[in-house]
Amino acid sequence: GENVEQHPSTLSVQEGDSAVIKCTYSDSASNYFPWYKQELGKGPQLIIDIRSNVGEKKDQRIAVTLNKTAKHFSLHITETQPEDSAVYFCAAYRRRGSQGNLIFGKGTKLSVKP
Amino acid sequence: ETGVTQTPRHLVMGMTNKKSLKCEQHLGHNAMYWYKQSAKKPLELMFVYNFKEQTENNSVPSRFSPECPNSSHLFLHLHTLQPEDSALYLCASSQGIQPADTQYFGPGTRLTVL
Repeated sequence: GENVEQHPSTLSVQEGDSAVIKCTYSDSASNYFPWYKQELGKGPQLIIDIRSNVGEKKDQRIAVTLNKTAKHFSLHITETQPEDSAVYFCAAYRRRGSQGNLIFGKGTKLSVKP
Repeated sequence: ETGVTQTPRHLVMGMTNKKSLKCEQHLGHNAMYWYKQSAKKPLELMFVYNFKEQTENNSVPSRFSPECPNSSHLFLHLHTLQPEDSALYLCASSQGIQPADTQYFGPGTRLTVL
């Protein structure tokens, strides 16, 4: 079955620096890769996603890249701000027949120091 | 607010108690999910309902019993739980169960089993 590995588990950066979180997946049939941000006391919220037919997607300070051959995808946050501090989860959509479900990584706790 | 509410937000129960978690979505979605979130572990999918029909039971012990009376409400009935069941239980909803259907999460119920 699908397995998603996420690194690092914790990441501390200075405000204004960039942050990169990496994930690998095992099932080459996975075709959709969302990233979620979870703030304290809240549920995860989708921040960006990418499909397997696209190599890169950007939304303001956030970008995601996908390397299908290597089966890894990354989240890039530029010009980090204190409000970016949260736990970030990657996920891969595992298709099973006509249905499927998301397989999540263990999460990365990002701390942005002012 | 994501449009998905969960009650209660916190619950402490003994191993012999029976309790229920409630989830309600105000987004007009057709699919609803229960996830378990434990420290340092990936989100674990428990159950999926699509148009009130259960489409996924991820080998969840029978002490967890889901109920979906309509597309807007989802319950998780709990009985004779174990201390290792202590976790954050997240509800999510989506328009459908395809990759393009973003999952919107509620804030979760923090469950402690004594």
